[in-house]
Amino acid sequence: AQRVTQPEKLLSVFKGAPVELKCNYSYSGSPELFWYVQYSRQRLQLLLRHISRESIKGFTADLNKGETSFHLKKPFAQEEDSAMYYCALRPLYNQGGKLIFGQGTELSVKP
Amino acid sequence: DVKVTQSSRYLVKRTGEKVFLECVQDMDHENMFWYRQDPGLGLRLIYFSYDVKMKEKGDIPEGYSVSREKKERFSLILESASTNQTSMYLCASSPPEGTGTDTQYFGPGTRLTVL
Repeated sequence: AQRVTQPEKLLSVFKGAPVELKCNYSYSGSPELFWYVQYSRQRLQLLLRHISRESIKGFTADLNKGETSFHLKKPFAQEEDSAMYYCALRPLYNQGGKLIFGQGTELSVKP
Repeated sequence: DVKVTQSSRYLVKRTGEKVFLECVQDMDHENMFWYRQDPGLGLRLIYFSYDVKMKEKGDIPEGYSVSREKKERFSLILESASTNQTSMYLCASSPPEGTGTDTQYFGPGTRLTVL
């Protein structure tokens, strides 16, 4: 079964601390992985995708096929990083490009 | 800049009412999606459409139907609203895969309360 799991509902860290939001997936093949973010009172938006291998707002994520993980990391959290984060998987060759989302992790960065 | 708009930000309906949620996108995207967003459950796909008049069931289609008569508009219909359909509903659109910008773009959401 195709599934995305984000084991933490809430992650609370202090400003300046490292942060890692976990994402594990279940998929027999090579999926495309994404992280989406939803700031308070804003719409859900793409943060980054694994094929881009880029850093956005200081966040990076590496696809680990052996561990079937795509954890989101930032070395020094900022208060403005507080938001809801969703990991998503897009199976290859699926008509319509639908995504499978995880349950979401709320990140709270305290001053 | 891609714009996805939803007809209402907040909606209150009574049990048994027929409810229409409208979504419009202005980027000529082929694909459109309806999700519901619930705490602890994430986003769950209700229906999606990859072309005009085409629709596919998502993970939780029961109690919902959709309509896509024009490319830019995708409607979600609750035939007979029930209290367990109280939720935040998100619409999204995306271009075809492989275009380089083929991510999903989301609307602001409609918070539906069914009394």
